[in-house]
Amino acid sequence: EAGVAQSPRYKIIEKRQSVAFWCNPISGHATLYWYQQILGQGPKLLIQFQNNGVVDDSQLPKDRFSAERLKGVDSTLKIQPAKLEDSAVYLCASSLDLSEGPYFGPGTRLTVL
Amino acid sequence: AQSVTQPDIHITVSEGASLELRCNYSYGATPYLFWYVQSPGQGLQLLLKYFSGDTLVQGIKGFEAEFKRSQSSFNLRKPSVHWSDAAEYFCAVGPYTGGFKTIFGAGTRLFVKA
Repeated sequence: EAGVAQSPRYKIIEKRQSVAFWCNPISGHATLYWYQQILGQGPKLLIQFQNNGVVDDSQLPKDRFSAERLKGVDSTLKIQPAKLEDSAVYLCASSLDLSEGPYFGPGTRLTVL
Repeated sequence: AQSVTQPDIHITVSEGASLELRCNYSYGATPYLFWYVQSPGQGLQLLLKYFSGDTLVQGIKGFEAEFKRSQSSFNLRKPSVHWSDAAEYFCAVGPYTGGFKTIFGAGTRLFVKA
C-alpha cells in the first residue's frame, strides 16, 4: 500500500513569510498527526485529527499555525508568519485508529532565514 | 500529564554486542507503547508496539522490548548489534483511556563501533 505522502519535501522562506504543507495519509486511516521535529530532538505533536475533528492541538502555536483536514482525508498545515525558530522538519503521520502507532511520511524540511 | 523519558542521549556499543535502550513513562494507566527508529536522512519507522498481553514483544530487525509495569518501563533490546543499527531510537507513548495523544521521547542516538 502507498505510504503517507507529503509535499513539498524542502522549503526555504524568509521570516514573516507564509508557508503551507500538504499531507495525504494512508488510505483508510482515520487518525492524522502533524509533528514538528527540531534538529536533535524528538518529534513534538502539534495537532492530532480523528477523521475531521481535532482531538488534540494543545501544543499548536495558534497565533501563527493552523491546520485543517478536509473531508477526513488530506490535511494542510500553515504557518503565518514564520519565525526563525520554526526551522524544523514537519512530519505528517497517520494510523488506522488511536490504538495503532503512527506511520510517518518523509517530512518537509523547513528553513526560515 | 503523560510523559516519556529516554535517559540516555547517546550510547556506543561494539558490533556484535548486546544492546538495551531505556524508556520510562509517566501515566496513570498502561498506555500503548512504541519504539521507532530514524536512520540518518530517513523517516521514522515503527519497530514494535505493545498494547496488552505478553510483556515481551518482538519487532522487526531482530529487536524486542519488555514492558515492566512496576518500573513504568519499556526497554528496547537486541542480542547482537549490527553496524547498520546505528541510528536514533525513539520511544513513544500512545493513547489511553481518557487521553488521545501519541507523544515521543527525546531519543537515544546509537553509535556502533567496529
